[in-house]
Amino acid sequence: GAGVSQSPRYKVAKRGQDVALRCDPISGHVSLFWYQQALGQGPEFLTYFQNEAQLDKSGLPSDRFFAERPEGSVSTLKIQRTQQEDSAVYLCASSSSVRGGYGYTFGSGTRLTVV
Amino acid sequence: KNQVEQSPQSLIILEGKNCTLQCNYTVSPFSNLRWYKQDTGRGPVSLTIMTFSENTKSNGRYTATLDADTKQSSLHITASQLSDSASYICVVTRASGGYNKLIFGAGTRLAVHP
Repeated sequence: GAGVSQSPRYKVAKRGQDVALRCDPISGHVSLFWYQQALGQGPEFLTYFQNEAQLDKSGLPSDRFFAERPEGSVSTLKIQRTQQEDSAVYLCASSSSVRGGYGYTFGSGTRLTVV
Repeated sequence: KNQVEQSPQSLIILEGKNCTLQCNYTVSPFSNLRWYKQDTGRGPVSLTIMTFSENTKSNGRYTATLDADTKQSSLHITASQLSDSASYICVVTRASGGYNKLIFGAGTRLAVHP
């Protein structure tokens, strides 16, 4: 597609519920990143994929967070047993660069609210 | 620690006025510095990107400067418009062998009033 598409745009989850957030990167982009953005803060790195390989997951805050990109295109960020501190905007970005240095394009994000 | 600090946290200006936003960083090794504009409810959109050897770069009414020696950058907005109301985020790319990691500042929230 023309841009990075994320769905859903908004998600309200009850505490303890599992959620799955989807990212459709720009077609052909090899690098894909997930970020978490708390209210009034800049995005914080969660994880990085190069094609289907998850090369860095050091930013995932706990083992309740899991990301995958099985075919090297669409990616899913899953959060199990959601907690209130998980409430944030989750941004996905993709890049045509193998090392992700240039050509970053962000999606509009998914706003997750845990109640 | 790799950090990006921005000031001010928020700013209110009148339409037509100029303003300058500041960014200090300690990220190393440095690859490049970007300024992003983030409208409410949207993802960040790139305004400028500068490498180590570039001192200034313009994009319309936006002009970014970089002093790699003092590790400071600024974003100057000329003749502000209501549509400039947004968060402006300074982002420094840390070079690494594997991939380039973006380190984000917390942003400056700009409000342009008529």
